[in-house]
Amino acid sequence: EAGVVQSPRYKIIEKKQPVAFWCNPISGHNTLYWYRQNLGQGPELLIRYENEEAVDDSQLPKDRFSAERLKGVDSTLKIQPAELGDSAVYLCASSFGHTNTGELFFGEGSRLTVL
Amino acid sequence: AQTVTQSQPEMSVQEAETVTLSCTYDTSESDYYLFWYKQPPSRQMILVIRQEAYKQQNATENRFSVNFQKAAKSFSLKISDSQLGDAAMYFCAYRINSGYALNFGKGTSLLVTP
Repeated sequence: EAGVVQSPRYKIIEKKQPVAFWCNPISGHNTLYWYRQNLGQGPELLIRYENEEAVDDSQLPKDRFSAERLKGVDSTLKIQPAELGDSAVYLCASSFGHTNTGELFFGEGSRLTVL
Repeated sequence: AQTVTQSQPEMSVQEAETVTLSCTYDTSESDYYLFWYKQPPSRQMILVIRQEAYKQQNATENRFSVNFQKAAKSFSLKISDSQLGDAAMYFCAYRINSGYALNFGKGTSLLVTP
């Protein structure tokens, strides 16, 4: 079974440029998460989707960040314009609904460097 | 807000020895889940072990076990017979039962020496 797939793995851009990250969750997982992990820190939730609905986006900086999950499967996270402080690893994770195990399955992440 | 604290930024252990990673958390909830995740360098995060708060028995998974002290809000991870492949960042995480998002600590970097 394929795991959570993210692309690109690495991205280097200059500040004020736009950038987009793509995530394909595990087949059948209806819940999808985007986390941001700063260097030396634990992941912090940006947004959580249940199917195509964003049910928790309270930590998403809406002035420059946007996300979508149009058909309830894969998702895109966009930053426009990027700032120096956006340099981080962006992690996508998925899980299956109301599982009491609560296990999230993570992708390898997209490492963003803003110059 | 729930917070997870890992007070050990780095730990070191010799191969075949035992090491314990500490984690404390703050919550007013009575029903929740606790997790330890492992993140090898440049690789994806994987689940090591989980603990349901309503269970008194400590969870074990092969060489990995936890010491869950609910009253003290403590959740430590013990790795026995450490192997070189155990070297990684270890994150403690918390989730309330009715929600889905995991709240992570800042992590502990584990070094395993031959």
